Amino acid sequence: ETGVTQTPRHLVMGMTNKKSLKCEQHLGHNAMYWYKQSAKKPLELMFVYSLEERVENNSVPSRFSPECPNSSHLFLHLHTLQPEDSALYLCASSLQVGLSYEQYFGPGTRLTVT
Amino acid sequence: KQEVTQIPAALSVPEGENLVLNCSFTDSAIYNLQWFRQDPGKGLTSLLLIQSSQREQTSGRLNASLDKSSGRSTLYIAASQPGDSATYLCASRKDSSYKLIFGSGTRLLVRP
Repeated sequence: ETGVTQTPRHLVMGMTNKKSLKCEQHLGHNAMYWYKQSAKKPLELMFVYSLEERVENNSVPSRFSPECPNSSHLFLHLHTLQPEDSALYLCASSLQVGLSYEQYFGPGTRLTVT
Repeated sequence: KQEVTQIPAALSVPEGENLVLNCSFTDSAIYNLQWFRQDPGKGLTSLLLIQSSQREQTSGRLNASLDKSSGRSTLYIAASQPGDSATYLCASRKDSSYKLIFGSGTRLLVRP
């Protein structure tokens, strides 16, 4: 596997379910990001981790809980979601957090909340 | 607060046509601007990145320009092909932040 991978690619869950999204990067990067892409809205940055430490929490509801156990893996734990949380969730990584470092994106997880 | 706007939201052209996608941003104090391609249900692929000190970048049939003073960037696609059909996103990065601020994208369809 190369680049940034995400699993699952598609997920349907009820509002009372608990599920997790997984992201893995094989680029040797130290920074990882979660983005949300809703229909007809720009990508929104949700969380940023640098060396497993969260450096950004962009006013995201607590029903989204990120976890970064090491610099290669990033999770987004989901519980008691709302239908409006249905979106494409994209993970990205960069060598470091900073102006000069390009972000590389995974293919995304398409989430549908019923 | 930086806002990025892309016009048009959707564009349909016949194969072989040259086309221009537009991106505008409200705060000219940007560090760089990046163009991405997104295929349906897929992640983002970086196409071109223009530093604030640059005026344009070229890659194959793609040419991106940047005019900081007017807050505009354009992506020029020459001799379009059906394989170019995708959503094209631009994103700016302010010179004081690592954050990418995205536009809503232009959905391009190139008809055979």
